[in-house]
Amino acid sequence: GAGVSQTPSNKVTEKGKYVELRCDPISGHTALYWYRQSLGQGPEFLIYFQGTGAADDSGLPNDRFFAVRPEGSVSTLKIQRTERGDSAMYLCASSVTDRDANTGELFFGEGSRLTVL
Amino acid sequence: RKEVEQDPGPFNVPEGATVAFNCTYSNSASQSFFWYRQDCRKEPKLLMSVYSSGNEDGRFTAQLNRASQYISLLIRDSKLSDSATYLCVVSPNTGNQFYFGTGTSLTVIP
Repeated sequence: GAGVSQTPSNKVTEKGKYVELRCDPISGHTALYWYRQSLGQGPEFLIYFQGTGAADDSGLPNDRFFAVRPEGSVSTLKIQRTERGDSAMYLCASSVTDRDANTGELFFGEGSRLTVL
Repeated sequence: RKEVEQDPGPFNVPEGATVAFNCTYSNSASQSFFWYRQDCRKEPKLLMSVYSSGNEDGRFTAQLNRASQYISLLIRDSKLSDSATYLCVVSPNTGNQFYFGTGTSLTVIP
């Protein structure tokens, strides 16, 4: 499809395990975002990529969280030593990067729901 | 302090009613403002941008008050299909980040 694709859609893991969540943005979108959303809350900013580089990673909660986008397209969010508090919906979004052309429309994927037992 | 604050509601209104949501933002240098809609267990989607002069899209009207740092969304003639969570979104003047509010839950009752 032409939309943002996220895998897996659901991930159940045990406390202390390592998890990778993948995002495939819309072709041609150079800006890519990761958000985390807990029940009853709005999406919480984690990290934003412009091309291959992390333009802003100030939202990552601690050093257990890391994200990469090696070729400027697919991105992987990596969580080490998972904790129960990491349980949430992880949303990826992409957008047109040119500020003039940017209507503010972030195109979100359906998310990866992470449950840490 | 959060970048964006919203009253989470819930707002329960009858069909045909007019309902308004407000949102405040903390960064006075913010440049771009938006309302997103999120249906239950779905991803957020852009509803409309908010321009300084105010803008309207059918039954929806968005307004920006820079002096007081708040954004509003007015929905007229509410439909059952308007039931959703409405997220206020602010983008600062640097970079390309988008900060979301907690969202306001709306249920339109038959």
